[in-house]
Amino acid sequence: DSGVTQTPKHLITATGQRVTLRCSPRSGDLSVYWYQQSLDQGLQFLIQYYNGEERAKGNILERFSAQQFPDLHSELNLSSLELGDSALYFCASTPGGGETQYFGPGTRLLVL
Amino acid sequence: QQQVKQSPQSLIVQKGGISIINCAYENTAFDYFPWYQQFPGKGPALLIAIRPDVSEKKEGRFTISFNKSAKQFSLHIMDSQPGDSATYFCAASMQDDKIIFGKGTRLHILP
Repeated sequence: DSGVTQTPKHLITATGQRVTLRCSPRSGDLSVYWYQQSLDQGLQFLIQYYNGEERAKGNILERFSAQQFPDLHSELNLSSLELGDSALYFCASTPGGGETQYFGPGTRLLVL
Repeated sequence: QQQVKQSPQSLIVQKGGISIINCAYENTAFDYFPWYQQFPGKGPALLIAIRPDVSEKKEGRFTISFNKSAKQFSLHIMDSQPGDSATYFCAASMQDDKIIFGKGTRLHILP
């Protein structure tokens, strides 16, 4: 158990819909990262937050957004969902940035 | 360049054999090179990591070899076991920056 929690574990929705994925980092970790993992794809970095502020942006679509709240939990919002958005979404946390990342168990999103 | 190139994409090894996965990077500013192991349905977990001031790091059956001049590093799994079957990701990072992951290697150890 990494100490990082993600909810929900599974999510099934329809195209055009909007969903919110939630991540709670390890106690004391200030940095949260979001990744998308599709079949036969590696870990695609989406976005990083540090202590409530956006720190780095990767291959995140404009339909996707994220935020980190004062209690350090983070939410990833996916809107206007498309079939191709079906994937595993992981969050990871670190005390600061760049060192060992602790991954949550992931949210499996299926868009029908 | 921020890429980390990983090979092979998939690997099949007999039980007891040596599994070798290779990675290459371009940005000499990277200063931390972790390997992550991911089992199906689970999140990746840190396996072993190295900094560029050493050429080799060993933890049990897992060894990282690091060649700074060639900008390459590799993971060796000695006496590979069926329980080692997983996807392995190499990565590289700089202090206070995001980690760049390789595309992963699916390792299957034949019983």
